[in-house]
Amino acid sequence: TQLLEQSPQFLSIQEGENLTVYCNSSSVFSSLQWYRQEPGEGPVLLVTVVTGGEVKKLKRLTFQFGDARKDSSLHITAAQPGDTGLYLCAGYYGQNFVFGPGTRLSVLP
Amino acid sequence: NAGVTQTPKFQVLKTGQSMTLQCAQDMNHEYMSWYRQDPGMGLRLIHYSVGAGITDQGEVPNGYNVSRSTTEDFPLRLLSAAPSQTSVYFCASSPRTQSNEKLFFGSGTQLSVL
Repeated sequence: TQLLEQSPQFLSIQEGENLTVYCNSSSVFSSLQWYRQEPGEGPVLLVTVVTGGEVKKLKRLTFQFGDARKDSSLHITAAQPGDTGLYLCAGYYGQNFVFGPGTRLSVLP
Repeated sequence: NAGVTQTPKFQVLKTGQSMTLQCAQDMNHEYMSWYRQDPGMGLRLIHYSVGAGITDQGEVPNGYNVSRSTTEDFPLRLLSAAPSQTSVYFCASSPRTQSNEKLFFGSGTQLSVL
């Protein structure tokens, strides 16, 4: 049983479409992070959210932390082929970050 | 700017062989960790260290040993490799053990155990 669940597992969309991916848990986290991973590379941090209800924007990406600090969403506006990759959420638990299984996004030109 | 360096990039072992995966960081980070990544499972924590001389177990520690004799290096040892240890291994570091710290990852080691 994983502490963090992500949905959908796979997503394939056309360039220009909008999308939202979700990260859910029954546990409360003091912070939650989103990473993007490309083939053959390690994950790279996109954002950290720490306050319940917090919304952060990074260009076309909008991140939201749930009020109860148990879930988060990532919304991408007007997706581009460069957004293709594996999106991982990670919650701070104890002294470490626990990762979800990821959403694999493919944006077709 | 090297960051986190992992070697080797690829490795094939036979069941029962031993090997060490190397990880080094040049950012003077206190925290270092090892994860394994399997399809559909995300990253699972194997071992971690909050400073030189201090190590602790993560979620999936069985079959792996670590040591942290210096701040820079955090090697992962497989004592007797098993096919279940076929995976991609990532080393990560961060300045401190805090909830708002960024994890810096190496580029991974792809290990196959036959």
